[in-house]
Parts: sequence; C-alpha cells; structure tokens
Amino acid sequence: GDSVTQMEGPVTLSEEAFLTINCTYTATGYPSLFWYVQYPGEGLQLLLKATKADDKGSNKGFEATYRKETTSFHLEKGSVQVSDSAVYFCAPQSGGYNKLIFGAGTRLAVHP
Amino acid sequence: DAGVTQSPTHLIKTRGQQVTLRCSPKSGHDTVSWYQQALGQGPQFIFQYYEEEERQRGNFPDRFSGHQFPNYSSELNVNALLLGDSALYLCASSFGSNNYGYTFGSGTRLTVV
Repeated sequence: GDSVTQMEGPVTLSEEAFLTINCTYTATGYPSLFWYVQYPGEGLQLLLKATKADDKGSNKGFEATYRKETTSFHLEKGSVQVSDSAVYFCAPQSGGYNKLIFGAGTRLAVHP
Repeated sequence: DAGVTQSPTHLIKTRGQQVTLRCSPKSGHDTVSWYQQALGQGPQFIFQYYEEEERQRGNFPDRFSGHQFPNYSSELNVNALLLGDSALYLCASSFGSNNYGYTFGSGTRLTVV
C-alpha cells in the first residue's frame, strides 16, 4: 500500500544551522505532496506543497522539491530558529479521494 | 475567517462507554476527514465524508462511525471504548477531493481510563 518514510528524530540543531529532513514515499500515480508542521499541543498546519514533478514548494524559509524519479520530497531550511521546534510530517495525497498518508513524523529541536 | 473548529478540546471517558466528537469545517469547505493520532505517531486516516455520505474508510473497526450534516459539519462516534482508543482526534476539511491540501483543526484529546 501507499506509505511514507521520514528520517527518524529527534533532530537537534543549534540556531542558524542548516536543516534537512528526508522524506520518501510510495504511492500510485502522481500524488500531490505536502509538509505539515505540528507545534506542541496543536493540530497540523500546512507548511508547503507541490503538485507535480520538479515543483518547488516554499514557505517561511522552508523549501522542498518534488522529485518524481527518486520519489522524494526532502524538507530544507537554510537557517533554523528556536521557534521552528516542532514535529514535521511529510504527506502524499493518495487514492481516488486524495486522502493524506502520514509517516511517524520527525521531531525538530532547535537550541539557542 | 474561522478555520476548522473541533469540540470538545479534551475528554475523559471510561472503557466501554461511547463518545461523540464534533467538527465544523472551514467556511467554503464541503468535505470532512477524520484522523486518529496516537501519542508519538503520525495521524491515521479514519474516514471521509462528502455530501453526507461516507465515501472512503481507513482500517478502523465498525465501532468508529460518523455523520455529516447538511451544513457540512460532522460527528465522529466511537462505541465500546478501549484503552487503545486514547488519542488526539483530528478533523480536516477541504473543498471536494482537491489536491491543494486540507485544513486541520486543533483536535480533541480523548483519554480512555
């Protein structure tokens, strides 16, 4: 079945460090791809999206490029802040009604 | 513009009881999906409602049921609660089955004791 694999966390970084969170997926067809972020005690917020191959989604300094050939959608940020500390979920949309498929998420902790 | 609203925010129930969770979708959205997120895990798809019908279901037992009302709001019902049903229940809304993503509510934290 459709699935997503993210790098295991927690990822611990110092402020202003470079961030990469790897994500690969298996899904039928050409799914749209999303990154969601979850802050402590809250629901999920859409961070960025890409709907076709080679599209780059970006928001708040975060970027991810839809790589069809490697079925990947890695999340990057050039300089993280303490406020970026959260759990990040990569999620392809799958199936006839485009439900989201989530992995376990990657926890990011940024220290001053 | 109100986003997705869920109620209650927290709930404690006893094993064997029944519970109803509620969701109001974002204005302009007509499709509601429900997800269960166990502690430390990613959300798992329960089911999706559109035009007051369940049109897709994840791998959850029949104890989990739902309803969508003409105003697009939705309820999730869980019967015969088990300890393992303790989780954050998330409601997500969208317009149709688009590929632009879903808007999530803040969730209902259910604890079964």
